[in-house]
Amino acid sequence: DVKVTQSSRYLVKRTGEKVFLECVQDMDHENMFWYRQDPGLGLRLIYFSYDVKMKEKGDIPEGYSVSREKKERFSLILESASTNQTSMYLCASSSRPGRQFIYEQYFGPGTRLTVT
Amino acid sequence: DQQVKQNSPSLSVQEGRISILNCDYTNSMFDYFLWYKKYPAEGPTFLISISSIKDKNEDGRFTVFLNKSAKHLSLHIVPSQPGDSAVYFCAASAASGGSNYKLTFGKGTLLTVNP
Repeated sequence: DVKVTQSSRYLVKRTGEKVFLECVQDMDHENMFWYRQDPGLGLRLIYFSYDVKMKEKGDIPEGYSVSREKKERFSLILESASTNQTSMYLCASSSRPGRQFIYEQYFGPGTRLTVT
Repeated sequence: DQQVKQNSPSLSVQEGRISILNCDYTNSMFDYFLWYKKYPAEGPTFLISISSIKDKNEDGRFTVFLNKSAKHLSLHIVPSQPGDSAVYFCAASAASGGSNYKLTFGKGTLLTVNP
């Protein structure tokens, strides 16, 4: 059974704080992703990583950075949290797909972050 | 520019009847499509997928239909059960175009199945 875990289910931070969200997967997946989910906006990709130390910007990377030092771990960093970063953050992982096939992404339970 | 659209924010059906969730896409490079289900306070879980070389894929009560010419797909749930009540996300990927790591998600449709 694929397991993706996230370090916190709920987090409350103050404006300007540096925030770390951690994600760990146990299936030796090459790809890892960070999304945020907001009402009426669906899931939006922040960053993804296809290998250790490799990363690519998603659709909304502004205000975020990421770190992948080990294959199983992918961290999302909010350098200076702002109230508009209050959201549900979801981590996902997947195997490296073949040429004509895409592997589904497996999601963690999410972290509900509130920035006050 | 929204490339994957789920135009119905919500849908309500009676237990035992059919639920039909719709999804439209604009990017002609998309060639692989997935449906995810999400309960409150949980991460999305993969439900069913379809490649663009097919027009139908079935898994138990769940069937996905793809109409490439109309750039439209739909998820049918028959019969619907109260436990199916969740938010359903449609997702798409340009799997053969080199960007096959990424999924583009729709905004989701909240399905409520009434007993």
